[in-house]
Amino acid sequence: TQLLEQSPQFLSIQEGENLTVYCNSSSVFSSLQWYRQEPGEGPVLLVTVVTGGEVKKLKRLTFQFGDARKDSSLHITAAQPGDTGLYLCAGPYNTDKLIFGTGTRLQVFP
Amino acid sequence: DTGVSQDPRHKITKRGQNVTFRCDPISEHNRLYWYRQTLGQGPEFLTYFQNEAQLEKSRLLSDRFSAERPKGSFSTLEIQRTEQGDSAMYLCASSLSQVSYEQYFGPGTRLTVT
Repeated sequence: TQLLEQSPQFLSIQEGENLTVYCNSSSVFSSLQWYRQEPGEGPVLLVTVVTGGEVKKLKRLTFQFGDARKDSSLHITAAQPGDTGLYLCAGPYNTDKLIFGTGTRLQVFP
Repeated sequence: DTGVSQDPRHKITKRGQNVTFRCDPISEHNRLYWYRQTLGQGPEFLTYFQNEAQLEKSRLLSDRFSAERPKGSFSTLEIQRTEQGDSAMYLCASSLSQVSYEQYFGPGTRLTVT
């Protein structure tokens, strides 16, 4: 059973389009992290959301934590080819290890 | 560069051989984690240290795997008698214990067992 489910699994869009990636769980998390990973590299931390309902912005990326702290979303405005990568949500589970979502692979074409 | 570093970046080995990977965390971070990632999946937790103490090991970590962090700084992950199923990206991450959920990852070691 996957604790964190992401959707969609794959997304292929044209430069300039908007998109939203979802991360859902039946469990409550004290925080959720979003990472971006490029092929052959480790995940890079983008943001941490901690408070239910919290919204954080990172340039064209907007992250939201659900009110019940069971879900999160990542919205990208005017996607660019440089946004291409694997987007992973993650959260601390039981102890301090991170549980990762299933991932969303984004491809942005020029 | 003050990020997490891992060595080697790539390792190709024959089944049955032993391999060892090294991770150097961000210098002020007292927590160090090892994860494994297979193609198309998110990373899976293997083990973590606070300073030199190994605090948790996943059931994924069979007795062929051993990890150490002898002086509370760098860590090594050894795999004995490698199997083809061990082929994966091995990722190291570090954090401060006060914000342990904010983990910073190294570039990974890609292991291929032939």
